[in-house]
Amino acid sequence: DTAVSQTPKYLVTQMGNDKSIKCEQNLGHDTMYWYKQDSKKFLKIMFSYNNKELIINETVPNRFSPKSPDKAHLNLHINSLELGDSAVYFCASSPVLFTGTKQETQYFGPGTRLLVL
Amino acid sequence: DQQVKQNSPSLSVQEGRISILNCDYTNSMFDYFLWYKKYPAEGPTFLISISSIKDKNEDGRFTVFLNKSAKHLSLHIVPSQPGDSAVYFCAALRGANSKLTFGKGITLSVRP
Repeated sequence: DTAVSQTPKYLVTQMGNDKSIKCEQNLGHDTMYWYKQDSKKFLKIMFSYNNKELIINETVPNRFSPKSPDKAHLNLHINSLELGDSAVYFCASSPVLFTGTKQETQYFGPGTRLLVL
Repeated sequence: DQQVKQNSPSLSVQEGRISILNCDYTNSMFDYFLWYKKYPAEGPTFLISISSIKDKNEDGRFTVFLNKSAKHLSLHIVPSQPGDSAVYFCAALRGANSKLTFGKGITLSVRP
């Protein structure tokens, strides 16, 4: 039983298209996150939601819009895809807003590899 | 602006020996420092963390040391095992906003 799952695992699409990545966690956590790992391998926070409320919204183009229909799901919709959006996108969840302890640690999904042609 | 730096891209160690992975940071406001381990095609998994008010935390084979004056931390793995071969990310957290800042990772290879 996967704790944090993402679909799809791979996504190849053309520039200008709109796509969504879905994330679900079955851990009963209150907080969910989206991270982007770019070609230089840096993992960067994009968004976090706590109890369906947006907490962190980093400097991300407004073509990216997170949607949290309920506490178990945080989907990422991307409009007008660009070449630079090619990356691995990781979803994560934590019991509460993460403050650093092992008990509150974030659990990551396996990632969605997005390639924009 | 890289606030968390892992300057060595890779490390190769003999099985049974100690692995020492290093990390430097620039922001003195970080509250917690963490290490994550990542296997190919999987997400990162939490390994160990340390509060900024401590200088050492140990969990089994893994020990993290924090030197605040040098803005440096290190992860020691003793003894190293082939299953430890993975990418290790150093990360730092400002508790006020729960925002994790990651380094770019170091690939550890443990030779049998």
